[in-house]
Amino acid sequence: QQQVKQSPQSLIVQKGGISIINCAYENTAFDYFPWYQQFPGKGPALLIAIRPDVSEKKEGRFTISFNKSAKQFSLHIMDSQPGDSATYFCAASTDKLIFGTGTRLQVFP
Amino acid sequence: GAVVSQHPSRVICKSGTSVKIECRSLDFQATTMFWYRQFPKQSLMLMATSNEGSKATYEQGVEKDKFLINHASLTLSTLTVTSAHPEDSSFYICSAREFTSGSPLHFGNGTRLTVT
Repeated sequence: QQQVKQSPQSLIVQKGGISIINCAYENTAFDYFPWYQQFPGKGPALLIAIRPDVSEKKEGRFTISFNKSAKQFSLHIMDSQPGDSATYFCAASTDKLIFGTGTRLQVFP
Repeated sequence: GAVVSQHPSRVICKSGTSVKIECRSLDFQATTMFWYRQFPKQSLMLMATSNEGSKATYEQGVEKDKFLINHASLTLSTLTVTSAHPEDSSFYICSAREFTSGSPLHFGNGTRLTVT
């Protein structure tokens, strides 16, 4: 119930392409769904977040799509850049933040 | 934006000794702080929730006597790894919430603990 499943485990995208990472959850009590970006040796940094009353949120090149009935949400990175190469974690929370398993994104020039 | 400072960034200690890690919210008051552990190429696993002025709440499987958490003020929480063993070597990351449940969590930059 507390798990957040994330896929794919790794992703290779060419510069300028679209990176898509998917997450699914079971606990309908989750009310906040953030995405974090983590570089090696650093803590995760908040990228973008959404609440279940909204189906989509866009900030710059990053878009979250949220499907409440399917209990799924995804991150789209448009015009992917080599600097986007990092590990991305979805997460879900009520009072505690539970992380997905992570996706290692590599963007090649 | 909200900043969480974690210290030290790296520590090496001998087996059997104790290590203290500090987590500070620099520009906001955090009634709740969270401690995570991350093994290489794995996700962040929640260890415990630290509430200012009260006992920490530990996740299942986390030894409270081994991982001592103190949240003495609204800007400081500490994690002490007692009697450390090589299997405790990991990346420990703290986070702090500025307001109530549902507010963004801000993370420190982590502490790399190596137990020899």
